[in-house]
Parts: sequence; structure tokens; C-alpha cells
Amino acid sequence: GQSLEQPSEVTAVEGAIVQINCTYQTSGFYGLSWYQQHDGGAPTFLSYNGLDGLEETGRFSSFLSRSDSYGYLLLQELQMKDSASYFCAILANSGYALNFGKGTSLLVTP
Amino acid sequence: NAGVTQTPKFRVLKTGQSMTLLCAQDMNHEYMYWYRQDPGMGLRLIHYSVGEGTTAKGEVPDGYNVSRLKKQNFLLGLESAAPSQTSVYFCASRRLAGDEQFFGPGTRLTVL
Repeated sequence: GQSLEQPSEVTAVEGAIVQINCTYQTSGFYGLSWYQQHDGGAPTFLSYNGLDGLEETGRFSSFLSRSDSYGYLLLQELQMKDSASYFCAILANSGYALNFGKGTSLLVTP
Repeated sequence: NAGVTQTPKFRVLKTGQSMTLLCAQDMNHEYMYWYRQDPGMGLRLIHYSVGEGTTAKGEVPDGYNVSRLKKQNFLLGLESAAPSQTSVYFCASRRLAGDEQFFGPGTRLTVL
């Protein structure tokens, strides 16, 4: 089976940088994704790492290390609107299904 | 494009009642998914489909059935609702070689 671990809650100050970690146990997978979900809303795609290394998209970056079974999402220049839940997810070896972690609730304070 | 739409947005059922949730996508995506989301549990995959006429079980399939008679639609059925099925249900779709799953707005279901 597969399991993903992320911190349940993180708090950071507006303008700061925050890193949300994701560790996983799996026998194999295609890649690691990150999704954002605001309260009451639908999850929206942030990034995908198919290969080891850093992917950058604006203020958000995501990193994957298969040898360490570890990835993270880095959010820079935090804004109040970044307060949301963030989920890491593994694309299973079948290539069809995503398995999600339980999510990290990020609170950005003034 | 409307993207992924779900019907209904809210529903209250009594134990033992049945219902069908409808998901529709207009992006010509091959893959479609049904998830449930409960507090503190993240998103758990119920069933998925890799193409018209095909379905497969996910992590928590018991008590649910699905059908994909048309490529653009994916139906989730509850034959005999139970209070444990109170949840928010999300549908999603993804193209064949895509990295991104597109989610619908969700259906909030309460079973009394």
C-alpha cells in the first residue's frame, strides 16, 4: 500500500516563507503532486514532480527526492489568501489514480 | 467551458434511501474519479474510470456503485444510504497524459 505523512497544521506570518513537508511510503509511483483547497471549495492543482528536483511556479515551488521518500511545497512571500489546506498526492504506478495525504492546514497571520 | 460540474450540490437522505450523484465534464478527459472527503481524512478515492464503459475500485468502494456509459459523465450511486456515508463528495477528471486533476465543486451529502 501507500501512505503519505504531512503536518496537520502550520502557521506563518504574511510575507514570510513556509515549507510543507510530505514523506511517503510506497513500492513505486510516477510522481508527487500538490493541491490547494480553500474552505468549502474544490481542490486545485499546484504542481507536479515527476523527476527529482525542484519545480518552480511563481511564488510556489515543489521538490521531490525519491531516494529520501520526501517532498515539500515551498510558499514564498506569503499572502493572506494562501491560508488554505495543502495536500500532497502520489500518482500510483498504474498511472491512473492519485492517493492523497490528509492535508496540512496553513494559517497566514498578519 | 464549464469544466467539471456536479449535481446536486446538497442533499439530505434518510438511512436506507438511494440516490445518484452526477458528474459531468466537457474537457474530453479520459479519466474520471469519485472521492469522498471527511474532516481530518483528506480525500479518499471511491471509484474511478479510465474510459467509457470501464470502472475500477478505489480505496473505499463499499456501499457505492458507479457507471460511465458516456465519456463525459460519471455517476456515483448509493443503493442504501448509511449515516457513515455523510461526507463531501468530489468528482474529478484528468486527460490521458496530464498531470493535473480538475475537481468539481463538490456535493454535500447528509444521511440521517
